[in-house]
Amino acid sequence: SAVISQKPSRDICQRGTSLTIQCQVDSQVTMMFWYRQQPGQSLTLIATANQGSEATYESGFVIDKFPISRPNLTFSTLTVSNLSPEDSSIYLCSVVVSPNTEAFFGQGTRLTVV
Amino acid sequence: GENVEQHPSTLSVQEGDSAVIKCTYSDSASNYFPWYKQELGKRPQLIIDIRSNVGEKKDQRIAVTLNKTAKHFSLHITETQPEDSAVYFCAANNNDMRFGAGTRLTVKP
Repeated sequence: SAVISQKPSRDICQRGTSLTIQCQVDSQVTMMFWYRQQPGQSLTLIATANQGSEATYESGFVIDKFPISRPNLTFSTLTVSNLSPEDSSIYLCSVVVSPNTEAFFGQGTRLTVV
Repeated sequence: GENVEQHPSTLSVQEGDSAVIKCTYSDSASNYFPWYKQELGKRPQLIIDIRSNVGEKKDQRIAVTLNKTAKHFSLHITETQPEDSAVYFCAANNNDMRFGAGTRLTVKP
């Protein structure tokens, strides 16, 4: 299993600013992912955070808007840049300890852009 | 890439009845199929999973079936209880995990 600490749990940000979300895992994991979830909606994969190299982004998500870092096997950050009200959502970090096994989730970050 | 479709989007049952949620996937290389339960304001939690070399798996009141040929899998909850009320997501995994749209299950006492 894996225990994930995701910070902050919530934030209210002004449009045009950026928010960086941190994801810390208590053990080394194979894969780390970032998802976005609108309230009452499904989980949309933003990108796979790759250790030591650029993240792999899904269609519709770009590095300039969602820069991701993963300096080691236990930590990743997602930045949501140049915020607009449309970015208001819940962002979730997810990890997989070994390929094709259970994904564990952070508690989520509820972002509101005003 | 993988595309997962999930039905129904909402499901309401009486306590004690069974609930069935169905998913289809598009990528024949997907080989791991978990189901997650998400209660309001909480993170998704795994409730059961199945791998592509197995056709059925059961854990108490919960069972999952997989038809690899047809590329569909289903979640079955028997003897439903009010605490089963939540949103359920299916997922298909081939190196990354893609989720269905979710099913909001309501169990009426």
